[in-house]
Amino acid sequence: GENVEQHPSTLSVQEGDSAVIKCTYSDSASNYFPWYKQELGKRPQLIIDIRSNVGEKKDQRIAVTLNKTAKHFSLHITETQPEDSAVYFCAATQGAQKLVFGQGTRLTINP
Amino acid sequence: GAVVSQHPSRVICKSGTSVKIECRSLDFQATTMFWYRQFPKQSLMLMATSNEGSKATYEQGVEKDKFLINHASLTLSTLTVTSAHPEDSSFYICSARDPPRGTEAFFGQGTRLTVV
Repeated sequence: GENVEQHPSTLSVQEGDSAVIKCTYSDSASNYFPWYKQELGKRPQLIIDIRSNVGEKKDQRIAVTLNKTAKHFSLHITETQPEDSAVYFCAATQGAQKLVFGQGTRLTINP
Repeated sequence: GAVVSQHPSRVICKSGTSVKIECRSLDFQATTMFWYRQFPKQSLMLMATSNEGSKATYEQGVEKDKFLINHASLTLSTLTVTSAHPEDSSFYICSARDPPRGTEAFFGQGTRLTVV
C-alpha cells in the first residue's frame, strides 16, 4: 500500500520568509496529492491540491510542485504570516480511494 | 464545498461503556465514508472505510469487533467504540467525497473522545 513520508516535522521561520515542506510517496499509482492545514482541535482544511497530470499549481502565496518520476511533492508558502502557524499534512491517494497522510509538519511563524 | 457533519464534538465516557459517533453528509450522498483516528501530535490514521449497504473494510491492526461501523444510508455512517478504555481516548474524524464535485475529501468536525 501507499506510504507517505513528510519532512521536516517542525519548521520555524521568520515572518515574511518562505517555508517549504516536502513529501515523498511510494505508490506510483497515486494521482491526487492534497495539502491540509490543521489547527488544534479542528478538522483538516484543504489549502491546495495537485493531480498527477500537473507539475505545479499556485494559489496566491501557496504553491505545490510534483515530481512524478521521483515520487515527491512539496508545499511552498511565501511571505509567511503569523496566521500561517499550524500543522500541515500532505496526503496521497489514487482516485477516490482512501487518503494516506504524511506525519505532519508543525510550522511556526516568528514575528 | 460539500458539508460533512459529525456528532458529538466532544464526549467523555467511563471505561467499559460504548460510545457512538455519527457522521452525516448534509448536501450529498456518500456511498463511502472514511474513519480516521488522530492521537495528540500525530497524523491522521485511517481506521476503516465505511461502505453503504455492506461491511466496512478495516485497516490492519484495527479491531472490527471493537470499532463497529454501520453505514445504513447514503448520508449517515456511525462508529461505535465498544467497551472503551482510556487508550481509546483520541480525536476521531470522518470524511467523505462527493464525486460530482471532484476528488476533494470533506471532513467532519471531529469528535474528541475521552475515556475515564
